[in-house]
Amino acid sequence: DGGITQSPKYLFRKEGQNVTLSCEQNLNHDAMYWYRQDPGQGLRLIYYSQIVNDFQKGDIAEGYSVSREKKESFPLTVTSAQKNPTAFYLCASSIAGPTYNEQFFGPGTRLTVL
Amino acid sequence: AQSVTQLGSHVSVSEGALVLLRCNYSSSVPPYLFWYVQYPNQGLQLLLKYTSAATLVKGINGFEAEFKKSETSFHLTKPSAHMSDAAEYFCAVSSNQGAQKLVFGQGTRLTINP
Repeated sequence: DGGITQSPKYLFRKEGQNVTLSCEQNLNHDAMYWYRQDPGQGLRLIYYSQIVNDFQKGDIAEGYSVSREKKESFPLTVTSAQKNPTAFYLCASSIAGPTYNEQFFGPGTRLTVL
Repeated sequence: AQSVTQLGSHVSVSEGALVLLRCNYSSSVPPYLFWYVQYPNQGLQLLLKYTSAATLVKGINGFEAEFKKSETSFHLTKPSAHMSDAAEYFCAVSSNQGAQKLVFGQGTRLTINP
């Protein structure tokens, strides 16, 4: 079955540690996205990538980093510079190009900083 | 710039009653509009989308939404609520120009009373 996988589902981190969240898709989509979800704030875009080896900052990129070395993978690193990293993180993908932007979402990773 | 406002962070209806979730958007270009549903600790699932074809859009699970340009609205409705409709609902807007990012509303949590 085609889809998006995120791992792990739950992640605990000590303050001051970097942590990497995995996102893999087998939908053959060019574009991939990372969102952060906090209660009552909807989804906010962290980073997005429309093609391999290229990515752009979203609205809340500070304290995060990404890479896009393969079409199917878009890992997100939450660095120690992120002041409030506890949140639910969602990865999504879509086709790219001059068409509507229906995004398909993974199941999410819940990160808790201890 | 695009934005979305969902009126009401919590909506409660009785089983069998009409469901109405409100969404207003702001966009300087013709928009694409989406409704997504999220069940607890899961990713988002697309309910329906408007892409400049018919203004009344039918989606999954008996939901529909009507695009009203004059009111800049895209409200979500379902004639008869079911217990399984309890979830959080997100309205989102995208454009057909430039980088096709989705901008999400804050979300509306729907509760169904037996």
